[in-house]
Amino acid sequence: RKEVEQDPGPFNVPEGATVAFNCTYSNSASQSFFWYRQDCRKEPKLLMSVYSSGNEDGRFTAQLNRASQYISLLIRDSKLSDSATYLCVVNEDSSYKLIFGSGTRLLVRP
Amino acid sequence: DGGITQSPKYLFRKEGQNVTLSCEQNLNHDAMYWYRQDPGQGLRLIYYSQIVNDFQKGDIAEGYSVSREKKESFPLTVTSAQKNPTAFYLCASSPRHGQYSGNTIYFGEGSWLTVV
Repeated sequence: RKEVEQDPGPFNVPEGATVAFNCTYSNSASQSFFWYRQDCRKEPKLLMSVYSSGNEDGRFTAQLNRASQYISLLIRDSKLSDSATYLCVVNEDSSYKLIFGSGTRLLVRP
Repeated sequence: DGGITQSPKYLFRKEGQNVTLSCEQNLNHDAMYWYRQDPGQGLRLIYYSQIVNDFQKGDIAEGYSVSREKKESFPLTVTSAQKNPTAFYLCASSPRHGQYSGNTIYFGEGSWLTVV
């Protein structure tokens, strides 16, 4: 089993749609969680951190479910510019090592 | 502006040659990392460094070497021992955080290495 697993997609949705991605992690001791966005042939950029209480940033909502060991990302009112690959990232312990999922590709069509 | 600078952006290497990718940061971050990304894949950790003059192997260190003589710099050498080096290489850095406080990582723009 991979340490961090994501559905590769692609998720093909119309503009204005709501779309959700899940990411599962295998290590129950994982402590920090993040969503990164990566555009084609570019570096990943931090989208948001994921907190136990859940957090929201505009159209984006991230949630953590420790009991089931998954995190989620919800995008409301999708824009064409949201088309990208979304990477789930987990920090397993107090070290500096981050574990990256393979990413979920989102395509938003007009 | 503060950030991470990688160079070169595109590099072609002949088989049997060593090449060095540069990574410089002016964010005053303690930790630096090198990742490799293959098409359609996630990032895999090659090496990381938590402090000057110290570095640790990641998951795929074979065929690579690094140095951390200065806080700002963490160059990666891809040696001829790396059998399949064609990939996208990402350098990153992060501030020093304590346990439970999270660890946000910032990336350079990446270097594309192609073996010809």
